Amino acid sequence: RKEVEQDPGPFNVPEGATVAFNCTYSNSASQSFFWYRQDCRKEPKLLMSVYSSGNEDGRFTAQLNRASQYISLLIRDSKLSDSATYLCVVNGRGGSYIPTFGRGTSLIVHP
Amino acid sequence: DAGITQSPRHKVTETGTPVTLRCHQTENHRYMYWYRQDPGHGLRLIHYSYGVKDTDKGEVSDGYSVSRSKTEDFLLTLESATSSQTSVYFCAISEPLSAGSGNTIYFGEGSWLTVV
Repeated sequence: RKEVEQDPGPFNVPEGATVAFNCTYSNSASQSFFWYRQDCRKEPKLLMSVYSSGNEDGRFTAQLNRASQYISLLIRDSKLSDSATYLCVVNGRGGSYIPTFGRGTSLIVHP
Repeated sequence: DAGITQSPRHKVTETGTPVTLRCHQTENHRYMYWYRQDPGHGLRLIHYSYGVKDTDKGEVSDGYSVSRSKTEDFLLTLESATSSQTSVYFCAISEPLSAGSGNTIYFGEGSWLTVV
């Protein structure tokens, strides 16, 4: 089992839709969690950190479920510009600062 | 944007030749990383550094070496390039705030390497 797993998609949704991605991680000692966004032929960029209490940034909501070892990203009112690959990142395993990346989930928002 | 510069941004080289990619940061971050990204594999860690002259291997280190003689520079060398090393290479930096705390990682724009 990979350390961090994501459904590669693609998720193909119309503008205005709500879409959710999940990411599971295997090591219960993981301590910090992030979602990154990557556009085609660009570098990954931090979208948001994920806190135990859940957090929201505009149309984006991230949640962490430690008991089930997954994190989620919810995008409301999807825009064409949301089309990208979303990477789940987990680190802090055993005190390590080395992040582990999921392979990413592809989102395509169409008119 | 984090001050990370990768060079060269694009390179075509022949099999068997040495290649060095440079990552330069202006953030004074302690950790620096080299990743490669390939279809179907996602981002894979090649090597990382946790300080000047302190480096360690990642999951795909074979065929690669690194050096960090200054905080701001992290070099990735392909001693004898092979076609399987055709990829996009990303440098990244981070500065952990405390043990086990959030460790936001910032990426350079990538270096596209083609080995023919």
